[in-house]
Amino acid sequence: DQQVKQNSPSLSVQEGRISILNCDYTNSMFDYFLWYKKYPAEGPTFLISISSIKDKNEDGRFTVFLNKSAKHLSLHIVPSQPGDSAVYFCAASALNAGNMLTFGGGTRLMVKP
Amino acid sequence: GAGVSQSPSNKVTEKGKDVELRCDPISGHTALYWYRQSLGQGLEFLIYFQGNSAPDKSGLPSDRFSAERTGGSVSTLTIQRTQQEDSAVYLCASSLALGRAKARQYFGPGTRLTVT
Repeated sequence: DQQVKQNSPSLSVQEGRISILNCDYTNSMFDYFLWYKKYPAEGPTFLISISSIKDKNEDGRFTVFLNKSAKHLSLHIVPSQPGDSAVYFCAASALNAGNMLTFGGGTRLMVKP
Repeated sequence: GAGVSQSPSNKVTEKGKDVELRCDPISGHTALYWYRQSLGQGLEFLIYFQGNSAPDKSGLPSDRFSAERTGGSVSTLTIQRTQQEDSAVYLCASSLALGRAKARQYFGPGTRLTVT
């Protein structure tokens, strides 16, 4: 049973436009959410996070939105750049689950010049 | 300086052989995690260490998998009698264990294991 799902395996956008990556979760105990970016042959790198007490967190071109009632979060990248092309993983953690992160399956983003 | 390092970067082994994968966490990080990513899949949690102890081993796929950490630093993940379904990229991560910053894990580049 996948507790964190990224239903779009891939997404293609034009440079300069907005990229929106979506993530759904089922475990109501999750209270902290993260996005990681992964380039080929490298480990994932932390991008941005959000606590369940917030509904939005912004860092430069990256904004994460959390809708707790819908158990949905999204990552917005504006404007998208070719260097953003990577696989993006959504992850979640629960206070009662120690440090364990539960990851979604990832979305491959391709930003075309 | 550096970040999390893992060795080897690639390992090809024959079915039935044992393998050891190594992880060097970021200096000062007390928490260490192992994940694996099978082809086309997301990251699957295997085990984590707080210091030298592993409070949660529930993610290990079978009793052929074991992990240890000594001196609060280096960790090894051992897979005995490897099977083809063990083929995956094994990722190690480390983090501080303070407050919610504990959830920010820093990953190594991974070890690609291929069982033939």
